[in-house]
Amino acid sequence: EVQLVESGGGLVQSGRSLRLSCVASGFTFDDYAMHWVRQVSGKGLEWVSGIGYNSASIGYADSVKGRFTISRDNAKNSLYLQMNSLRVEDTAIYYCAKGSNFGPNCFDPWGQGTRVTVSS
Amino acid sequence: DIVMTQSPATLSVSPGERATLSCRASQSVSSNLAWYQQKPGQAPRLLIYGAFTRATGIPARFSGSGSGTVFTLTISSLQSEDFAVYYCQQYDNWPPLTFGGGTKVEIK
Repeated sequence: EVQLVESGGGLVQSGRSLRLSCVASGFTFDDYAMHWVRQVSGKGLEWVSGIGYNSASIGYADSVKGRFTISRDNAKNSLYLQMNSLRVEDTAIYYCAKGSNFGPNCFDPWGQGTRVTVSS
Repeated sequence: DIVMTQSPATLSVSPGERATLSCRASQSVSSNLAWYQQKPGQAPRLLIYGAFTRATGIPARFSGSGSGTVFTLTISSLQSEDFAVYYCQQYDNWPPLTFGGGTKVEIK
């Protein structure tokens, strides 16, 4: 069974940094692209960043470009999101999602998410 | 960026009835369109990819259609567990990957 377990969320002040982690199991991690998607409470889904299976392909949403850095460690079956210069508007649940078997930029499955709260 | 627009925002349907959800892209995404279901307090779940192919384990009452810029998700006979929020997502062009704003299917 595929499992994605996020961690690293919490309460942080505006301007500070936070590093999210996602540990994967149940599949060959280094065969798949991985993504971060966030959701503000009661709102819709926003793709944040994605990384190809070998880290050669990386993309970011404009809203986080230059502040967030995605990375992965295939030896540790882990995905990361380094979030710097955090803003109040970054407050959200952050989901880790696996690129699907049907295409790298389709998400299947998703982790349960980790909550990030940025205070002013 | 490709903008995805879903309608309606809320759909009130009685159990057993058909629900039709729409998704429109600001430019062609070919068939690179996915649908997700999200229930309260849960992560989203992939329902449909490639505009019309059901993901593993998804019941046959869910069907997708369309290509280019206009897409539809149909739930043929709503069950109690189908009341949720549904999102479309284009994966034709990245970055960024973009979602529609969602359609909430509620009990009438």
